[in-house]
Amino acid sequence: GQQVMQIPQYQHVQEGEDFTTYCNSSTTLSNIQWYKQRPGGHPVFLIQLVKSGEVKKQKRLTFQFGEAKKNSSLHITATQTTDVGTYFCAGVRSGGSYIPTFGRGTSLIVHP
Amino acid sequence: KAGVTQTPRYLIKTRGQQVTLSCSPISGHRSVSWYQQTPGQGLQFLFEYFSETQRNKGNFPGRFSGRQFSNSRSEMNVSTLELGDSALYLCASSLVYRGGSADTQYFGPGTRLTVL
Repeated sequence: GQQVMQIPQYQHVQEGEDFTTYCNSSTTLSNIQWYKQRPGGHPVFLIQLVKSGEVKKQKRLTFQFGEAKKNSSLHITATQTTDVGTYFCAGVRSGGSYIPTFGRGTSLIVHP
Repeated sequence: KAGVTQTPRYLIKTRGQQVTLSCSPISGHRSVSWYQQTPGQGLQFLFEYFSETQRNKGNFPGRFSGRQFSNSRSEMNVSTLELGDSALYLCASSLVYRGGSADTQYFGPGTRLTVL
């Protein structure tokens, strides 16, 4: 079945440093979604990317969808302590039913 | 506007029992999706309901079922509970069917189910 690999599993950064998490799918995707989950909280939907090579920005967050629509990345510039949490990607397989497959997430720890 | 509400928030059951979880979406939202989150398997999609119809279903056994009412409220049922069903069950609502849009979905706080 479809697999979505996400790396790294954990990332420690000093406040102000940049952070990137990567997702790779075993199959071509129709779209990919990104979520953030704070410790003890529920996931918060961040964005959905649909087009090949798409790049979208939300303030300090930059989301990219690969040209082959099999990989994606989330980059945070100048991290802040409020960025702490686990970031998940979820890919929906191209040509199939709308069933998102989640990566295992990257836990971001920001040291002040 | 009130957010997505889920009841109960915590539940303890024993193996073999069944359980029903409830989700009330944001007012006006017609799509409700259910997810299971465990430390071992991570986040997994269970199913999505839109206009009282199940639109998509993830890779879960038939013990997991759901339904949606005309007011968009949804229930999820798990029969013959197993220890491995212990998890955080999350529901999320969106305005329209997610298979046809990039609409934002909003998660509820979840129901923490423990099976003993």
